[in-house]
Amino acid sequence: LAKTTQPISMDSYEGQEVNITCSHNNIATNDYITWYQQFPSQGPRFIIQGYKTKVTNEVASLFIPADRKSSTLSLPRVSLSDTAVYYCLVGDMDSSYKLIFGSGTRLLVRP
Amino acid sequence: GAVVSQHPSRVICKSGTSVKIECRSLDFQATTMFWYRQFPKQSLMLMATSNEGSKATYEQGVEKDKFLINHASLTLSTLTVTSAHPEDSSFYICSAFSRAGESYEQYFGPGTRLTVT
Repeated sequence: LAKTTQPISMDSYEGQEVNITCSHNNIATNDYITWYQQFPSQGPRFIIQGYKTKVTNEVASLFIPADRKSSTLSLPRVSLSDTAVYYCLVGDMDSSYKLIFGSGTRLLVRP
Repeated sequence: GAVVSQHPSRVICKSGTSVKIECRSLDFQATTMFWYRQFPKQSLMLMATSNEGSKATYEQGVEKDKFLINHASLTLSTLTVTSAHPEDSSFYICSAFSRAGESYEQYFGPGTRLTVT
């Protein structure tokens, strides 16, 4: 399973764009990249998933370079409610998508 | 999106007793479910993979006789913490894997807070 590395914490202000980069140097061909958000005492919530290039949904964008050894989650115009821990995970679709969580990035959005 | 529920959401038990936590996929069938444990300020730690109709696969260092997992149907997996001790106090989270067409996703439950006194 590919290991991921993310910054431990990030600070931002309301209204700013936040980019969280994750490295996964040994990502395998079958691995997808998924980002989750977790609030205290809650289960993780799916944000976005991608395999390559760029993926965008109503809450975030995911940028994946051609070599797929890293990915960047982009949160446009964050608000205080985006304060949470963000996890980058890679998983093999052919093995029931077993996920191993890294340390995650603790994002603090200030007013 | 798909919904995964857990019951109970919070439980307090005495040391030496056993506690059962249920994980249900409410609107889809899940052949595979996962159980995680999370201590305060830490990340989720995968405990085991629960496969419907077969024995669970435990991660290294997780005692299978202490954490009994049963996946009797496509919508229900249970985790029983046997002879619980204070060090088992933690936040237990389950997830269910759904594969629909080109979409692959794990849906997480809301978690169960276990406190052993």
